[in-house]
Amino acid sequence: DTGVSQDPRHKITKRGQNVTFRCDPISEHNRLYWYRQTLGQGPEFLTYFQNEAQLEKSRLLSDRFSAERPKGSFSTLEIQRTEQGDSAMYLCASSWAGGELFFGEGSRLTVL
Amino acid sequence: QQQVKQSPQSLIVQKGGISIINCAYENTAFDYFPWYQQFPGKGPALLIAIRPDVSEKKEGRFTISFNKSAKQFSLHIMDSQPGDSATYFCAASDSGGGADGLTFGKGTHLIIQP
Repeated sequence: DTGVSQDPRHKITKRGQNVTFRCDPISEHNRLYWYRQTLGQGPEFLTYFQNEAQLEKSRLLSDRFSAERPKGSFSTLEIQRTEQGDSAMYLCASSWAGGELFFGEGSRLTVL
Repeated sequence: QQQVKQSPQSLIVQKGGISIINCAYENTAFDYFPWYQQFPGKGPALLIAIRPDVSEKKEGRFTISFNKSAKQFSLHIMDSQPGDSATYFCAASDSGGGADGLTFGKGTHLIIQP
């Protein structure tokens, strides 16, 4: 399967803990995006990378959130000191610059 | 501030009927308007997309109609089938025709009754 893969698919954590999600994009894509989707809502843009450079961050991305794409391939999204409001599906997508976005199946986070 | 407003929130259509979902946008700089289909437990998948230089685009049973002056666009699903039952999202971006930083609507939960 050469699609976008995300890991883990589900994460349950206690409030205050740190969590990290990984995304492996389609190998030939140079752009990688993170979105957040809460129940009954559309995906909300968080941030995106072109190669290893983080080009844009939404104001939704508080100081507790950090994303990296160290070698321009896979990316990680870390949430520190999780809060119940962080419970959501975290979606990764990849594309060529200006091209169609291909989404992964998401990582569902539940904060107790 | 919701930049893309989608309606209806939910829709029930009989098999073989036409499903119509509408979206309105505010930002006149938007220049790329895709529709995504999402099944439970899956990520959104691109269904069809349009750019503002055309008023309609058709791909199989799926058609986008675009009204630039009204700042509205809609998805029509002809001969709707039970397998079309999913959540549909409209989206828009202002990235010069590409898909960067998409703004999504809130989604329409479509049920096709057999």
